[in-house]
Amino acid sequence: GAGVSQTPSNKVTEKGKYVELRCDPISGHTALYWYRQSLGQGPEFLIYFQGTGAADDSGLPNDRFFAVRPEGSVSTLKIQRTERGDSAVYLCASSLMASSNEQFFGPGTRLTVL
Amino acid sequence: RKEVEQDPGPFNVPEGATVAFNCTYSNSASQSFFWYRQDCRKEPKLLMSVYSSGNEDGRFTAQLNRASQYISLLIRDSKLSDSATYLCVVSRVGSYIPTFGRGTSLIVHP
Repeated sequence: GAGVSQTPSNKVTEKGKYVELRCDPISGHTALYWYRQSLGQGPEFLIYFQGTGAADDSGLPNDRFFAVRPEGSVSTLKIQRTERGDSAVYLCASSLMASSNEQFFGPGTRLTVL
Repeated sequence: RKEVEQDPGPFNVPEGATVAFNCTYSNSASQSFFWYRQDCRKEPKLLMSVYSSGNEDGRFTAQLNRASQYISLLIRDSKLSDSATYLCVVSRVGSYIPTFGRGTSLIVHP
């Protein structure tokens, strides 16, 4: 079956602009995670959803970052007033439930803020 | 001190060699442990879970040492295709948020 998909694969934007990153999880997976990965580092947790609700958003760096999952499937990560320091690969992962051992990652969106 | 620490490497080994990586974690309440593999510019993929009794999957063996708070990954008979970054992942009791280490880079050469 289809894996986790993310769009766009690459996004170049200018400082101060607004961006939206989309994640389409594996069908039937109720848990969805967003991570950010910088070069030479491991994925850094941002937020996770169990169903439609954000179960934990403690990893969001500040209030410029927001994520939604209105129907419990597709999720959108929204970044306002982008800064150069936001440049990274944004990874989405899904699992059957939050308690599941294995997370399945999407290919990521490479965000570059000029 | 970081919650999960790994030596970034790179570990440069010839084909057929045995190589081992360690990963230390700081929170004694950690209860779930995993190794993920990440190829260059690709997404992480689960390699194996790490159980208290240790576990083996073909050429790969994972061990947990709770007393010293580290997990290890041993790769026997290294293949060129084992070249990748190996990420250590730890979750605390009652938390569904995994913490990833920065990864250890392995390069297997002919």
